Amino acid sequence: SQQGEEDPQALSIQEGENATMNCSYKTSINNLQWYRQNSGRGLVHLILIRSNEREKHSGRLRVTLDTSKKSSSLLITASRAADTASYFCATDDSGTYKYIFGTGTRLKVLA
Amino acid sequence: EPEVTQTPSHQVTQMGQEVILRCVPISNHLYFYWYRQILGQKVEFLVSFYNNEISEKSEIFDDQFSVERPDGSNFTLKIRSTKLEDSAMYFCASKFGQKLYNEQFFGPGTRLTVL
Repeated sequence: SQQGEEDPQALSIQEGENATMNCSYKTSINNLQWYRQNSGRGLVHLILIRSNEREKHSGRLRVTLDTSKKSSSLLITASRAADTASYFCATDDSGTYKYIFGTGTRLKVLA
Repeated sequence: EPEVTQTPSHQVTQMGQEVILRCVPISNHLYFYWYRQILGQKVEFLVSFYNNEISEKSEIFDDQFSVERPDGSNFTLKIRSTKLEDSAMYFCASKFGQKLYNEQFFGPGTRLTVL
């Protein structure tokens, strides 16, 4: 698999349910970020978690990071129709500092 | 809150034409990046730029591409002779420093359509 692979690729849930997306990566990182992208639009930064952090919260978002497994998860609680978007993780390669994006999870929240 | 801006938001061009995509990074940032995203695919790194020179580039960034910081505020990506496959969303990003936890801030993107 490639650096920054998300799963599932697509997720469809009912409004009010929780959505969990996972990201795996391969190289050492300094931090990992999650972004949201509405169809054909720009990247909206959601949350950054540093390599020495294990969990972070921001509003309805909860991100975890397991550096031993090289994986992260994004949990959106009490989802809303407006959460419908693609979600990407991005890791900064600690050797080069460029960001490597995952393939994304397409989330659809049904009203 | 300071932000990265990009112009134009949408550029339509004919195959073979030159295009210049413009970015204004956050004013005190020192590291600059271009990424692209072909429709429906993931965001891919193109090039990073620091101290007026390219610090890293991907295999996508061939001789048709060039970057420049012509003045103290703009950061541009030039594609000399566009191809159909250059159609994509192009994102600029900037970062203050190379400290471990400096994050990159992304602009809203320029959608390039090559006809």
